[in-house]
Amino acid sequence: SQTIHQWPATLVQPVGSPLSLECTVEGTSNPNLYWYRQAAGRGLQLLFYSVGIGQISSEVPQNLSASRPQDRQFILSSKKLLLSDSGFYLCAWTGGVDGELFFGEGSRLTVL
Amino acid sequence: GEDVEQSLFLSVREGDSSVINCTYTDSSSTYLYWYKQEPGAGLQLLTYIFSNMDMKQDQRLTVLLNKKDKHLSLRIADTQTGDSAIYFCAEGNTGNQFYFGTGTSLTVIP
Repeated sequence: SQTIHQWPATLVQPVGSPLSLECTVEGTSNPNLYWYRQAAGRGLQLLFYSVGIGQISSEVPQNLSASRPQDRQFILSSKKLLLSDSGFYLCAWTGGVDGELFFGEGSRLTVL
Repeated sequence: GEDVEQSLFLSVREGDSSVINCTYTDSSSTYLYWYKQEPGAGLQLLTYIFSNMDMKQDQRLTVLLNKKDKHLSLRIADTQTGDSAIYFCAEGNTGNQFYFGTGTSLTVIP
């Protein structure tokens, strides 16, 4: 069966520090991969999505970037974090018969 | 992104039915989804409906779609305390993009 994992689950970082959140999918090949952010207001904002290795589409310009070095690995990064980067980051992938979207457990980032 | 709107809060008594509503704007949506999020957790896919369907039932869950009005609803029959969570409506299109509403926080009163 397919599974998706994110880490770390919780992260507290100072302003100006770098960030790396990792997501991996198991049990499938060539999935579409997504990064979403959920801020305190609860809505989900699509940040990046990828349809293949090295192919990244950015939905919202900001100081975050994404990379897909391997087929089932998706990384969210920042060189210098801002206070406004705090939030709950969710990785997701499309699979299933009808291309449903499945989410990882989430990574909670607090920038101080 | 496309607009997907939901009311923020809903309270129901245990045993009653809950109806959570959603409106969307993208006429090219192929599937419409309902997700459940419990505190501190990721989103769990509850059910989804293809855009050319009017209704889908899955145990206690009933999804109704009015494509003309771009209105989607989720009915939970015999609501239990374990159903308390945030419920998200989402639309997916042929471009493999998914857009979410702000979520409806359902509180079930014992």
